Amino acid sequence: GQQVMQIPQYQHVQEGEDFTTYCNSSTTLSNIQWYKQRPGGHPVFLIQLVKSGEVKKQKRLTFQFGEAKKNSSLHITATQTTDVGTYFCEPLGGAQKLVFGQGTRLTINP
Amino acid sequence: DAGVTQSPTHLIKTRGQQVTLRCSPKSGHDTVSWYQQALGQGPQFIFQYYEEEERQRGNFPDRFSGHQFPNYSSELNVNALLLGDSALYLCASSPRSASYEQYFGPGTRLTVT
Repeated sequence: GQQVMQIPQYQHVQEGEDFTTYCNSSTTLSNIQWYKQRPGGHPVFLIQLVKSGEVKKQKRLTFQFGEAKKNSSLHITATQTTDVGTYFCEPLGGAQKLVFGQGTRLTINP
Repeated sequence: DAGVTQSPTHLIKTRGQQVTLRCSPKSGHDTVSWYQQALGQGPQFIFQYYEEEERQRGNFPDRFSGHQFPNYSSELNVNALLLGDSALYLCASSPRSASYEQYFGPGTRLTVT
């Protein structure tokens, strides 16, 4: 099936630093979802992006969907220890589910 | 309001055996999807059920089958288990009106020896 590339695979930051993860597809997407999975936990839905160029914010989290609807990013401002976990994108192309991205594992040094 | 529940929590099977995993969706949800998550990997979509029928399927062999009951609960069956089937199996439910917003259960950790 169609794949997406999520980068970086790992990111370690000092508490208070910013963090960004990217999700890149070779094909145009219908929409994209972002999830967070804490260590030992299950994925938790964060947001859905649908429109070209869309930007959504949730407190310190900013989500963007590229103009061509092939790329998306999640940016966290001033990370906190509660942000630790793996962030996954789940793109959708048409009506067909695509594979989750490989995830970006975020660790934070307090 | 109970969220998505899955049973059992953990399971150990031997190669060649068959296993059935169960999922009860969040109240008000009628769509159930199953995912396989290997250690350190993202969830891999297995299939999705709605109105008791399989609506979409990922790249999994026919050894993986499922069922949805009238009360929207679901089962995942895996036949002829392989060592590579060892993983966390996640069930996710969503309302048909917002099928993108999935609520995941805690998962069933399957170990095949």
